[in-house]
Amino acid sequence: DARVTQTPRHKVTEMGQEVTMRCQPILGHNTVFWYRQTMMQGLELLAYFRNRAPLDDSGMPKDRFSAEMPDATLATLKIQPSEPRDSAVYFCASGLSSGISTDTQYFGPGTRLTVL
Amino acid sequence: QQQVKQSPQSLIVQKGGISIINCAYENTAFDYFPWYQQFPGKGPALLIAIRPDVSEKKEGRFTISFNKSAKQFSLHIMDSQPGDSATYFCAASGGLSGGYQKVTFGTGTKLQVIP
Repeated sequence: DARVTQTPRHKVTEMGQEVTMRCQPILGHNTVFWYRQTMMQGLELLAYFRNRAPLDDSGMPKDRFSAEMPDATLATLKIQPSEPRDSAVYFCASGLSSGISTDTQYFGPGTRLTVL
Repeated sequence: QQQVKQSPQSLIVQKGGISIINCAYENTAFDYFPWYQQFPGKGPALLIAIRPDVSEKKEGRFTISFNKSAKQFSLHIMDSQPGDSATYFCAASGGLSGGYQKVTFGTGTKLQVIP
């Protein structure tokens, strides 16, 4: 049963600390998305990778957020320094794209981040 | 123009009733309209999707109705069950934004089906 995995599932940290969230996309998928979900803003796209290359990170606060794909089996989202307003659930999703078309996105279980 | 407006924000339906969630969009380049279902503590999961070349798609108790001229689409859940209680997101994608078809999500509808 192929699924997207995310670690950690929960993270509580203090303001100013660095936070790193990891995602393992489904094997064979070539697209990875990072989303942030809050009650106020809903699902916000933070970053999009295709074949490990970042195609869109316009939704990401550039001064503190960074996203990378060191290899095809690992995507990371880093926040440095973290702030209380970053508290949210962060989802990773992966999919298989044959070009520019958007196929089904398979979401991971999310990382619930609380910044005190 | 990239927005997808979803209503209602929350919905309470009796078991066996019909749940209806509506979405509207502006961008005429959108050509793929999925619905995602999210249970508490889980990530969203694709429920059903439609392309604008058809006006309706049915999968079991779930039906998408699509009105291209009105730029609206809706999810109907027939014979709603307590197990359907979840948050439902409509979404739309199409056209090109940064070299790919970006998916825009609605704000979500929290459905509660009561026995």
